[in-house]
Amino acid sequence: EAQVTQNPRYLITVTGKKLTVTCSQNMNHEYMSWYRQDPGLGLRQIYYSMNVEVTDKGDVPEGYKVSRKEKRNFPLILESPSPNQTSLYFCASTPRGLAYEQYFGPGTRLTVT
Amino acid sequence: SQKIEQNSEALNIQEGKTATLTCNYTNYSPAYLQWYRQDPGRGPVFLLLIRENEKEKRKERLKVTFDTTLKQSLFHITASQPADSATYLCALDLSSGGYNKLIFGAGTRLAVHP
Repeated sequence: EAQVTQNPRYLITVTGKKLTVTCSQNMNHEYMSWYRQDPGLGLRQIYYSMNVEVTDKGDVPEGYKVSRKEKRNFPLILESPSPNQTSLYFCASTPRGLAYEQYFGPGTRLTVT
Repeated sequence: SQKIEQNSEALNIQEGKTATLTCNYTNYSPAYLQWYRQDPGRGPVFLLLIRENEKEKRKERLKVTFDTTLKQSLFHITASQPADSATYLCALDLSSGGYNKLIFGAGTRLAVHP
């Protein structure tokens, strides 16, 4: 089944404790993105990647890192999480580019205390 | 900067009626506009994409219009059903403005009552 998977789905952590949210897609898509969703603000892009080893900042990259060592995986790294990073995170992939339909993962709900 | 506005209030309609959701944007016109459906606790699911040179696009009971003069897209669900209840997001592409990304509206929640 074609899908985007994320892990973990739920995470509660404390300020400053490094964490990684994994994202994997099995559709051989070149483009992948990370978004955060907060009430009333919609989805905001954190980082995106157009191919292996090619990443770029989105609208809200501060406090986040990404890597794209393999085509299928695009992990999101929070080196020192803070409470303002409490949010719902989505990974997405697209076959042709960021202007085309995005396939979203199920989401990761992160709480930083 | 580019801004997208969707009606933040929930839209409540009766089953069988047509639901119409609005997406307005400011500044330059995007090359593409997309609509997604999002159920609580789940990721958005792609529904339709319309290009700037297309005035209307249909898919089963769904219809999207794109008016670049008004800077507006309308999303219609005909013969609505309770299963259509969800939040609907519009998203527009900024690639024609030199930005390689998609920006999303906050969404409009639709509730279809039996």
